[in-house]
Amino acid sequence: SYVLTQPPSVSVAPGQTARITCGGNNIGSKSVHWYQQKPGQAPVLVVYDDSDRPSGIPERFSGSNSGNTATLTISRVEAGDEADYYCQVWDSSSDQGVFGGGTKLTVL
Amino acid sequence: QVQLQESGPGLVKPSQTLSLTCTVSGGSISSGGYYWSWIRQHPGKGLEWIGYIYYSGSTYYNPSLKSRVTISVDTSKNQFSLKLSSVTAADTAVYYCASLPDSSGWFDPWGQGTLVTVSS
Repeated sequence: SYVLTQPPSVSVAPGQTARITCGGNNIGSKSVHWYQQKPGQAPVLVVYDDSDRPSGIPERFSGSNSGNTATLTISRVEAGDEADYYCQVWDSSSDQGVFGGGTKLTVL
Repeated sequence: QVQLQESGPGLVKPSQTLSLTCTVSGGSISSGGYYWSWIRQHPGKGLEWIGYIYYSGSTYYNPSLKSRVTISVDTSKNQFSLKLSSVTAADTAVYYCASLPDSSGWFDPWGQGTLVTVSS
């Protein structure tokens, strides 16, 4: 089955830019979705179809996808952005949802 | 706005069947347009897609769980359910229900999740 690889952790100072990567074989040919999960809460969709934002998600959250890497970018990071972030694709070859292992974003 | 809420026992004995229900509010399952999904998260771990059902009853399951999983729908109650048989401690997890818009590939929204512990 399709595998998505994320770094376990990313650290960034407040006000700086955080970039969280998601690697997969030719992931650029797939649509990538990103979720934010804070402790004790359910995941929340923050980016879908590589770079679109659901209503209510700040413009500071953006995404890109090319080649073998998709990236979630969080600009002007705030303390409230500290959370686990998961990438996800729908693997049409096996018709199943596939998640990355998650990245813990720490705001220093 | 659609909201989802999981319910069911928080403790299941090994070898028994885990049963959970997801109640949908703010929208009708029978309207179509969404695949109703179950996803789980082992303690301190990542997310695992379990399977989905359409209002018509068509289902698709994660191959790794397929032999033990049944997802069903009750449109009259606006609910869909998960049954996982022959559970072991490895099935201890937070179980989420979520909607998967047709032709989208993403899950939104999610229920709050319910912790199910498998223990004697």
